[in-house]
Amino acid sequence: LAKTTQPISMDSYEGQEVNITCSHNNIATNDYITWYQQFPSQGPRFIIQGYKTKVTNEVASLFIPADRKSSTLSLPRVSLSDTAVYYCLVGAMDSSYKLIFGSGTRLLVRP
Amino acid sequence: GAGVSQTPSNKVTEKGKYVELRCDPISGHTALYWYRQSLGQGPEFLIYFQGTGAADDSGLPNDRFFAVRPEGSVSTLKIQRTERGDSAVYLCASSPGGQGNTGELFFGEGSRLTVL
Repeated sequence: LAKTTQPISMDSYEGQEVNITCSHNNIATNDYITWYQQFPSQGPRFIIQGYKTKVTNEVASLFIPADRKSSTLSLPRVSLSDTAVYYCLVGAMDSSYKLIFGSGTRLLVRP
Repeated sequence: GAGVSQTPSNKVTEKGKYVELRCDPISGHTALYWYRQSLGQGPEFLIYFQGTGAADDSGLPNDRFFAVRPEGSVSTLKIQRTERGDSAVYLCASSPGGQGNTGELFFGEGSRLTVL
């Protein structure tokens, strides 16, 4: 399974756009890129997933360059409630699918 | 219920005791996962079930840890002769599995285990 590297922590302010970049140099052809969010005392929650180019949903966008060796999670206009740990994961969606989490990025949104 | 349910939410035990943690997955989900999360760390994979069978138990740290899912729904994680290092939050997740996989795992809120 491809290893991921992401910043340990990031600070932002309410209303700003936050971009968290993850590197996954050894991503395999059939791997997808998935991002999860985790609040204290809760299990991780799926945010977004993509394979290439750009994916957007109601909470975030995911940008994946052509070589797929990195990806960027973009959170538009963050609020205090976006303070959480964000995990970037890669893995193949086949019958042996499992997620391997790293240490994640701790995002702190300040007023 | 609508989500993954884990019981107990908190468990305090003494070193050397036996512990069982239960997970009720989302109805109809054939895939079930157990993870362990220590303070300040990301979740660590333990075991993955597809139906009743353990498809991948490569994350179980040693033979004191065992998990079952006898009817392909509820799963129990069993820890024998608990040690202080077993203290962590044990997370369970489920997903549709097989052809229904979208890559999204649905996590419960976890069972916090404290070994004194």
